[in-house]
Amino acid sequence: TQLLEQSPQFLSIQEGENLTVYCNSSSVFSSLQWYRQEPGEGPVLLVTVVTGGEVKKLKRLTFQFGDARKDSSLHITAAQPGDTGLYLCAGVQAGTALIFGKGTTLSVSS
Amino acid sequence: NAGVTQTPKFQVLKTGQSMTLQCAQDMNHEYMSWYRQDPGMGLRLIHYSVGAGITDQGEVPNGYNVSRSTTEDFPLRLLSAAPSQTSVYFCASSPLAGGMHEQYFGPGTRLTVT
Repeated sequence: TQLLEQSPQFLSIQEGENLTVYCNSSSVFSSLQWYRQEPGEGPVLLVTVVTGGEVKKLKRLTFQFGDARKDSSLHITAAQPGDTGLYLCAGVQAGTALIFGKGTTLSVSS
Repeated sequence: NAGVTQTPKFQVLKTGQSMTLQCAQDMNHEYMSWYRQDPGMGLRLIHYSVGAGITDQGEVPNGYNVSRSTTEDFPLRLLSAAPSQTSVYFCASSPLAGGMHEQYFGPGTRLTVT
């Protein structure tokens, strides 16, 4: 059973378009993280959200944690080719190790 | 700081061979972990450690051993490699303080077992 479901699995868009990636669960998490991974490299942490309803912005990236702390979204405005990569969400539950979703592969073409 | 380092970068093994994947971190993080990444499967936790002398199993521990004799090092051993262990392996570290488990990943080891 996959605790964290990410959608879509693949996304191919043109430069300048907006997009949203979703991370959903039936479980409650104490915090949720988003990572980006480029080919041949390890994932790199983008942001951690902790409070239900919390919104964090990182330049053109906007991250939101659901009110019930069961889901999160990543919105990218005016995507650029440099945004290409695998986006992973990961949830922390009390007393357990970090749980990763399977990821969304984003391709932005110019 | 070098962060998290992993060696080797690439490795090819024959079925039945053994080897050790090395992982080291210089951030004085208490928590270290090993993941494998396979197409369509995401990152799956193999083993983790919350400090020197303490290790525990993750989601997919079979076929792998670990030990944590120092804070800095967390090697992963394959005792008898199998083709099912062909994967990309990532080591990660994290400070325990704050309970956020924010992971710092190494660059990965791409392992092929023939």
